[in-house]
Amino acid sequence: DQQVKQNSPSLSVQEGRISILNCDYTNSMFDYFLWYKKYPAEGPTFLISISSIKDKNEDGRFTVFLNKSAKHLSLHIVPSQPGDSAVYFCAARCTLNIKAAGNKLTFGGGTRVLVKP
Amino acid sequence: NAGVMQNPRHLVRRRGQEARLRCSPMKGHSHVYWYRQLPEEGLKFMVYLQKENIIDESGMPKERFSAEFPKEGPSILRIQQVVRGDSAAYFCASSHQNQVEQPQHFGDGTRLSIL
Repeated sequence: DQQVKQNSPSLSVQEGRISILNCDYTNSMFDYFLWYKKYPAEGPTFLISISSIKDKNEDGRFTVFLNKSAKHLSLHIVPSQPGDSAVYFCAARCTLNIKAAGNKLTFGGGTRVLVKP
Repeated sequence: NAGVMQNPRHLVRRRGQEARLRCSPMKGHSHVYWYRQLPEEGLKFMVYLQKENIIDESGMPKERFSAEFPKEGPSILRIQQVVRGDSAAYFCASSHQNQVEQPQHFGDGTRLSIL
């Protein structure tokens, strides 16, 4: 049962244009969402997060949008740069029971982004 | 380097041997998590530990796998009698105590190959 899904395995975009990555979830208990970026042979690096009490969070070139009713979130990268080429993972957690299961992250399968110069 | 440190980076074992993966969390972090990533898949949660306590092991296979985070020293993920299906990248992450909205910070992983 895949609770977090990234339906696009790959995305190709021209340098300077916008990259839009999508993520859907099924568990309504998720209330905190994160995006991680991963280069080959390295660990995931935290990019940006959003709490379910918000619908948008922005940090520089990265903006995350959350649509709770649709159980959908997206990451916008603008303008895209060649160094953004990586695999992007969406992750979710339920923070209500922080002592136990609330700390674990549930990841999507990732979207490989290629930014062409 | 104050980041999450994992060693070894690469580990090769023959079927039936034991694999030991080590993780030192970021300075000041007392929560450790282990995740496994199979090729072309996302990371899957295995176990969450605090010092000397296993908090959540719901993602850990019932047999052959164990984890610990002793009072002194790194966290250890141990896989006994390894099989080919254990080949994967194993990532450790850490976070600060009681910071709900702080992200988990990941190490660069241990790539385990079973011959």
